[in-house]
Order: sequence, then C-alpha cells, then structure tokens
Amino acid sequence: TQLLEQSPQFLSIQEGENLTVYCNSSSVFSSLQWYRQEPGEGPVLLVTVVTGGEVKKLKRLTFQFGDARKDSSLHITAAQPGDTGLYLCAGGPSGTYKYIFGTGTRLKVLA
Amino acid sequence: EAQVTQNPRYLITVTGKKLTVTCSQNMNHEYMSWYRQDPGLGLRQIYYSMNVEVTDKGDVPEGYKVSRKEKRNFPLILESPSPNQTSLYFCASHRDSNTEAFFGQGTRLTVV
Repeated sequence: TQLLEQSPQFLSIQEGENLTVYCNSSSVFSSLQWYRQEPGEGPVLLVTVVTGGEVKKLKRLTFQFGDARKDSSLHITAAQPGDTGLYLCAGGPSGTYKYIFGTGTRLKVLA
Repeated sequence: EAQVTQNPRYLITVTGKKLTVTCSQNMNHEYMSWYRQDPGLGLRQIYYSMNVEVTDKGDVPEGYKVSRKEKRNFPLILESPSPNQTSLYFCASHRDSNTEAFFGQGTRLTVV
C-alpha cells in the first residue's frame, strides 16, 4: 500500500510564529495537491505542485515539491488564527490509478 | 456551478439494512472515488472509477460496492452495514487521478 506520511500530526502554535509541515512517501508522484479541511466539510484545494523542485507561494503559504517528486512541504509564515484547520497532502502514485491522502496535520493557531 | 452532490448528509441505520449513498457530478469528470474519514486514520480510498463501467478497489473496499453506469453518477452501496462502517464518507470527482479532487458535502453514517 502506498503511503503519504505527514509530520507533525498535531501542531499548536502562537499567532505570528512560523511552521513547516512535511509530506513524505516512498512512491513517486507526477503531482501533489495540498488541501485544507474544516470540520465536517470536504477538503478544499490550496495548491498543486507538478515539477520536481518547484516552489509555489500563496500569500503567507509556501509549497515545495521535492526534486525526486516523492515529498513536499508546506511552510506558513506568521501564522494567524484563521490558518487553523486540517492540512492534507494528496496525489496519485505513479503506476497506479489510486488517489491517496496523507495522514494529515491538525494545526491550531492561538491568538 | 461546478459541484459534486452527495446524499444524504446524515444517516442512522441498523446493522444489516442495505443502504445507498448517492453521488453526482456536473463537471464531466472521468475519475470519481469514495473515501471514508475516521479519527486518526485520515481519508482512505474505498473505491475509484476511471470511467463508465470501470471501477477498482481502493485501500479499504471490504463491505462496500460501487457502480458507474453513467459518467455523472457513482453511488456507494453497503449491502449489509455493520457498526465498523460508522464513519464520515466523501465522494470526490477529478478530471483524472493526478489532478485536483472536488468533494461532495459528506455523509455522516451511523450504523447501530
């Protein structure tokens, strides 16, 4: 079974702090998506990374795709309470038609 | 408006009583899938479909059936639900297995 492992699993930080979430796999992905999910709702797309080594910025969020396309990271600068939520990486492992999700990182930003 | 419509939102049923959760998308996507989400276990793929009449097992298919007779619909069938199938279920639709997933509103199923 292909796995996408995220770390940390839980993160509680103060407003204004920076943080990084990691997403790792032994499988290669042609692209990876990052989502944010609110309780009881479906995940909503934040970004797609496609090229190995790619860096994408979305306001205070920076996403990076590993050179070998097996890992990715999400960095949040100056976190705000509105960033609180469950962050998920996801993608289709090469050679399969599955679409799998990472184990998730639950972020809480305290005011 | 592009959307994935999933029904019902909430369902309480008894062990062994067959049920169907419906899912419909209006984006002409070829790829659709079902997930269940449980605390500490994340979103796990139950079944997926690459196109009409083409379905395959995800990581947790036991106890579930699906069908894809039309491109827009992908119902999830529980022939004989059991309490361990109590979960939050999501239907998703993508252009293909490497692109963004669009999700339905979720179905919270309780089997007693």
